[in-house]
Amino acid sequence: AQKITQTQPGMFVQEKEAVTLDCTYDTSDQSYGLFWYKQPSSGEMIFLIYQGSYDEQNATEGRYSLNFQKARKSANLVISASQLGDSAMYFCAMREGLRAAGGFKTIFGAGTRLFVKA
Amino acid sequence: DGGITQSPKYLFRKEGQNVTLSCEQNLNHDAMYWYRQDPGQGLRLIYYSQIVNDFQKGDIAEGYSVSREKKESFPLTVTSAQKNPTAFYLCASSIRAGEGFNEQFFGPGTRLTVL
Repeated sequence: AQKITQTQPGMFVQEKEAVTLDCTYDTSDQSYGLFWYKQPSSGEMIFLIYQGSYDEQNATEGRYSLNFQKARKSANLVISASQLGDSAMYFCAMREGLRAAGGFKTIFGAGTRLFVKA
Repeated sequence: DGGITQSPKYLFRKEGQNVTLSCEQNLNHDAMYWYRQDPGQGLRLIYYSQIVNDFQKGDIAEGYSVSREKKESFPLTVTSAQKNPTAFYLCASSIRAGEGFNEQFFGPGTRLTVL
């Protein structure tokens, strides 16, 4: 069964430093997509970055990059130059391809709460 | 502006009452989803719809019902059969269901409290 694991309930980082949020996944499908979302205290979910299982290069979006290690089944989010506004919950998510038993459903990890210190 | 709206933002319900949460999108997306989030946890899928007049159960559909009569609307009814309905409910949509990038866009959420 597909599964997403985020082992860090909370993380602290100093403003302007980089931070890595861990995510490991489990799937038997060859075709899948990995997502990271940010959830501020307001509750909305904000899409950050996407990595497809067949993408050769790690995805990057501004200050966000995804460290994709397929053999290890990990998809860590790296935030460079942290800002106070980065304080939020961060969720890793995975969607398997249509051929998988779960269809196209997206499953979410339990999340990591990031605190950025001034 | 295009986006997803959910109403109300906060909802209080007495035990034994049904309540309907609204979700509307003007993004012209085919697929829509309902998730439930409990404190300190990730999102769990309740129902999803790939196209008008069609929907499927997610992982925790018991005690919930949906309809998809219009492309832009996907209301969720929390019935009295739902044992523990107090939670934060998020609606999302994507261009289509299926493989590939297919990012989900989320609404602002409805916080439901059963008194």
